[in-house]
Amino acid sequence: GESVGLHLPTLSVQEGDNSIINCAYSNSASDYFIWYKQESGKGPQFIIDIRSNMDKRQGQRVTVLLNKTVKHLSLQIAATQPGDSAVYFCAEIGAGGTSYGKLTFGQGTILTVHP
Amino acid sequence: GAGVSQTPSNKVTEKGKYVELRCDPISGHTALYWYRQSLGQGPEFLIYFQGTGAADDSGLPNDRFFAVRPEGSVSTLKIQRTERGDSAVYLCASSPTPGLQTQYFGPGTRLLVL
Repeated sequence: GESVGLHLPTLSVQEGDNSIINCAYSNSASDYFIWYKQESGKGPQFIIDIRSNMDKRQGQRVTVLLNKTVKHLSLQIAATQPGDSAVYFCAEIGAGGTSYGKLTFGQGTILTVHP
Repeated sequence: GAGVSQTPSNKVTEKGKYVELRCDPISGHTALYWYRQSLGQGPEFLIYFQGTGAADDSGLPNDRFFAVRPEGSVSTLKIQRTERGDSAVYLCASSPTPGLQTQYFGPGTRLLVL
């Protein structure tokens, strides 16, 4: 996706609420998608992944939904906690061609959880 | 087990100087990746290695940037004649093999070129 520099989308929620973070990806040939969480001063941390032959995958407190028709990913976080506050990125990997093996990151979303 | 480590964590240098950034991947991971992240943006691909060889270096911005992985483990990203625009966080990641695999990131090296 296109970056907008410092003006990242933001989402503010109350502790205990559910959060939904959305991402549009660019390459219809992408076969693998990953959500990363990045806290200030740290590297991206793996949250959950999904392959293109699936439309939903669940982890602990997190669910990823994939809609290939409109090239859209979402990350749902249940019972959001203050420790979930971070920037969230979606990323895609293609199965071949010039996109093989390398992550292309979408626009990040800043999640702020208020106690 | 140990994750990806990167040194130094911070590097301040002057314009025109040469810098080396080091990455130690997860043990046993054959694929190693370098990314660059500017403030407020997602990481952007630079180069990746399969074993000792650079499988794709299409993201390196120009010939001032070079990376090596001589023994198939530790990698060094080298930047010659640094410019202020090179200031960013340089991230390293590794995966068991290349392709449709999760990449695990290190903490990054924050490079500031004065």
